[in-house]
Amino acid sequence: DTGVSQDPRHKITKRGQNVTFRCDPISEHNRLYWYRQTLGQGPEFLTYFQNEAQLEKSRLLSDRFSAERPKGSFSTLEIQRTEQGDSAMYLCASSPRLSSGNTIYFGEGSWLTVV
Amino acid sequence: KNEVEQSPQNLTAQEGEFITINCSYSVGISALHWLQQHPGGGIVSLFMLSSGKKKHGRLIATINIQEKHSSLHITASHPRDSAVYICAVMEYGNKLVFGAGTILRVKS
Repeated sequence: DTGVSQDPRHKITKRGQNVTFRCDPISEHNRLYWYRQTLGQGPEFLTYFQNEAQLEKSRLLSDRFSAERPKGSFSTLEIQRTEQGDSAMYLCASSPRLSSGNTIYFGEGSWLTVV
Repeated sequence: KNEVEQSPQNLTAQEGEFITINCSYSVGISALHWLQQHPGGGIVSLFMLSSGKKKHGRLIATINIQEKHSSLHITASHPRDSAVYICAVMEYGNKLVFGAGTILRVKS
C-alpha cells in the first residue's frame, strides 16, 4: 500500500466553476478526514467519515461544499461555484478504527487556486 | 480562543541549539499528535502521545494531561529540521483539531 493518495495535486480554476477532489485512503482504514489549510495556518477540520457515514461537518463546510464516501473506500470533496476564498490546500487523512493507539496518515494535499 | 494554542509561532535557531515548541489545549482529549509539515504540504506524524514522554532520535515529546500541555523538543538542531511543526489533539469525539503550527528555521 502506498499511503493516502489525493488527486489532482494541483487545480487552477476560474471563479464560478465546480471542482472535485478525490482521496484514496489506506486500505481498511475506516476513518477518513478532510481538512483545509491556507498559507501560514494549521489545517482546519472540514468533515470526517467512518466507513460511508459522514459523522461530522464543520460550519466551514458551506452548502457549496459536499463530501461523499459512497462505498466506504475513496472519498470525493466537491466545491460548487468556486470563489477566490476557496483557494487553499485540501488535505485528506485516514486512520484505522479509532483507539488511542492508532495514528493518522495524511495525503500530500490538493492545491486549489481560484482565479 | 482556539482549542489548540502553539508557541512560538515562528522560531529561528542556530544549528546545534536545543529547541522547544509548546502546545496547550482546552478540550478533553484521547491523544495528542506532533506533526511535521515540509514545504509542498506533506504531513508526517512524529509522535502520538496519551501520557508521559516519547523519544525518537533527536526528538522528544512530553505531555502533561492534568495541565493540558505538551512540548516538543529537538536536541542538536540541524538545518534539515526546518519545517512547520503542528500540534493536533484527538478529541473524544474522534475529531483531530490542529494548532496553527510553529515555523522553525534552523540556520547553519
